[in-house]
Amino acid sequence: EVQLVQSGAEVKKPGESLKISCKGSGYSFSNYWIVWVRQMPGKGLEWMGMIYPGDSDTRYSPSLQGQVTISADKSIITAYLQWSSLKASDTAMYYCARLRSGYSHYYMDVWGKGTTVTVSS
Amino acid sequence: EIVVTQSPGTLSLSPGERATLSCRASQSVSSSYLVWYQQKPGQAPRLLIYGASSRATGIPDRFSGSGSGTDFTLTITRLEPEDFAVYHCQYYGRSSGLTFGGGTKVEIK
Repeated sequence: EVQLVQSGAEVKKPGESLKISCKGSGYSFSNYWIVWVRQMPGKGLEWMGMIYPGDSDTRYSPSLQGQVTISADKSIITAYLQWSSLKASDTAMYYCARLRSGYSHYYMDVWGKGTTVTVSS
Repeated sequence: EIVVTQSPGTLSLSPGERATLSCRASQSVSSSYLVWYQQKPGQAPRLLIYGASSRATGIPDRFSGSGSGTDFTLTITRLEPEDFAVYHCQYYGRSSGLTFGGGTKVEIK
């Protein structure tokens, strides 16, 4: 079964650092982009960026570039999303998803269950 | 930058009724890259439609997608109780990356 397993909920203080994870299984992890999507409380979905684990090619949303770092370790089939200094506005649900991409299609077919991040003093 | 707008924000319907959801792009886009997801409360999104009109594996045929250019539609022919959820459309552009609409909530009337 193809699945993405995300790390557990986090409660942090402003200014703290954080790294959350997304572990893939049941498919060739290196050969599919992993996308990170943010969903703030009561809001819609927002693309943050994505990484190709095979060569670590990374793309960021222009609106979020510099605020987060996306990385991956293909040897342990895991992708990461990290912050160096959290803000209260980072409070959200974060999803990872597998991207199916090609000349005629571009969609996310497998999603993790999400990681809730709460940033509060 | 392509902006994707969904309407209406909320659709109030009864089980058995037909739902028509709109997704509009700010400029003409390739239908190959237009996608619809369903999201139920407390759950991750689920792929429904890709390439504007192709149903994902396991998606019932009461769900259909159509459209081209700037206007796309998700139709649910007869609403079942499990279809009441939020629906997101998404577009991929080479320069803009992945862009989501704001979502349409289909609620029980």
